[in-house]
Amino acid sequence: EPEVTQTPSHQVTQMGQEVILRCVPISNHLYFYWYRQILGQKVEFLVSFYNNEISEKSEIFDDQFSVERPDGSNFTLKIRSTKLEDSAMYFCASSLNRGLRGMNTEAFFGQGTRLTVV
Amino acid sequence: GESVGLHLPTLSVQEGDNSIINCAYSNSASDYFIWYKQESGKGPQFIIDIRSNMDKRQGQRVTVLLNKTVKHLSLQIAATQPGDSAVYFCAENKGNTPLVFGKGTRLSVIA
Repeated sequence: EPEVTQTPSHQVTQMGQEVILRCVPISNHLYFYWYRQILGQKVEFLVSFYNNEISEKSEIFDDQFSVERPDGSNFTLKIRSTKLEDSAMYFCASSLNRGLRGMNTEAFFGQGTRLTVV
Repeated sequence: GESVGLHLPTLSVQEGDNSIINCAYSNSASDYFIWYKQESGKGPQFIIDIRSNMDKRQGQRVTVLLNKTVKHLSLQIAATQPGDSAVYFCAENKGNTPLVFGKGTRLSVIA
């Protein structure tokens, strides 16, 4: 069964350092997302990406965040200068389409990367 | 602001009993709803979805009910098993908007 894969599973970084979280979405999917989940809290939307550009982003996704699809398979989230409050689980998700002819489809989530900023 | 929330943060049920997990949503324009299951240390896993033109949808051991009048969504799990223990999130969106997740309900199954 196809799945979204994320690496690494756990990343520890010092405050102020840059981190890159990597994701390989499901191969025929067209929409890609990053969500985060602070420990014990709900899953929060960060950004969606379609056709090589950001289609929507939340207030959380400020200038320290960026996303990239450097090749045909990877989708990355970069945090330029990490802060303590960036510590969370980061989930990548992908979906085949969204809003196509008014039909929504489910987003498949990866297992997440646990980011710990110290 | 508009958001999706859950009535109960925790739910404990006996193995074999039916579970009902509730969700209230405030965006009356939402037209698509999903229930996700999240086990410890894992990502959300799709369980079942429902579109706003329906009020009930059944899957394997799970049923989702949608009451648009009172903006209420519920997930029913039949014959709850220990493997059903997890946090359950409802999520909603409309058209091209991103999924908005509720806070989650932790389901504990007592053997």
